[in-house]
Amino acid sequence: DQQVKQNSPSLSVQEGRISILNCDYTNSMFDYFLWYKKYPAEGPTFLISISSIKDKNEDGRFTVFLNKSAKHLSLHIVPSQPGDSAVYFCAAQSPRADRGSTLGRLYFGRGTQLTVWP
Amino acid sequence: NAGVTQTPKFQVLKTGQSMTLQCAQDMNHEYMSWYRQDPGMGLRLIHYSVGAGITDQGEVPNGYNVSRSTTEDFPLRLLSAAPSQTSVYFCASSYSWGPGNTIYFGEGSWLTVV
Repeated sequence: DQQVKQNSPSLSVQEGRISILNCDYTNSMFDYFLWYKKYPAEGPTFLISISSIKDKNEDGRFTVFLNKSAKHLSLHIVPSQPGDSAVYFCAAQSPRADRGSTLGRLYFGRGTQLTVWP
Repeated sequence: NAGVTQTPKFQVLKTGQSMTLQCAQDMNHEYMSWYRQDPGMGLRLIHYSVGAGITDQGEVPNGYNVSRSTTEDFPLRLLSAAPSQTSVYFCASSYSWGPGNTIYFGEGSWLTVV
């Protein structure tokens, strides 16, 4: 039961252009969302997050948009750089250990491999 | 600036062997957890702990044991390794549980069970 879905396993973008990575979720109890970036042979590193009380959060080249009614979020990277090439995981967190959830658990999507080419 | 440290980085086990993956954090985080990552599956929670002496099961706990005797350490024990446990294991920690607490990951432990 995949509660967080990243339907695009890969995305290829030219350097300097915008990268848009998408994520959908099914559980309306989720109220905090995070994006992690992962290079090969390394652990995931936190990139940016957003609370459900906001619809946008920006940090430098990275912006996350949240559409609660559509249960959809997206990560925009502008401009994209070759060093951004990595797997990006979307994750969601619920506020409490309600039915089917676990304290503090992150529900991860399956990831999107972003390749930024020169 | 160690953060979350995992050992070993790579391990090959024979079916039926037991071993312990070590995890330590130096950030005084209360919340620690173990995830496994399998190809095309994202990360799945194995066990977690909200403080010393308190542990609980995650999504895929079978075949694994944990304990939390100190705030810093959270080892993951494989009781009798099986090929299905071939995976990449990530330890993670955060100041507390719940939204707004960023979870930090270790660099991973690659385990192969033959």
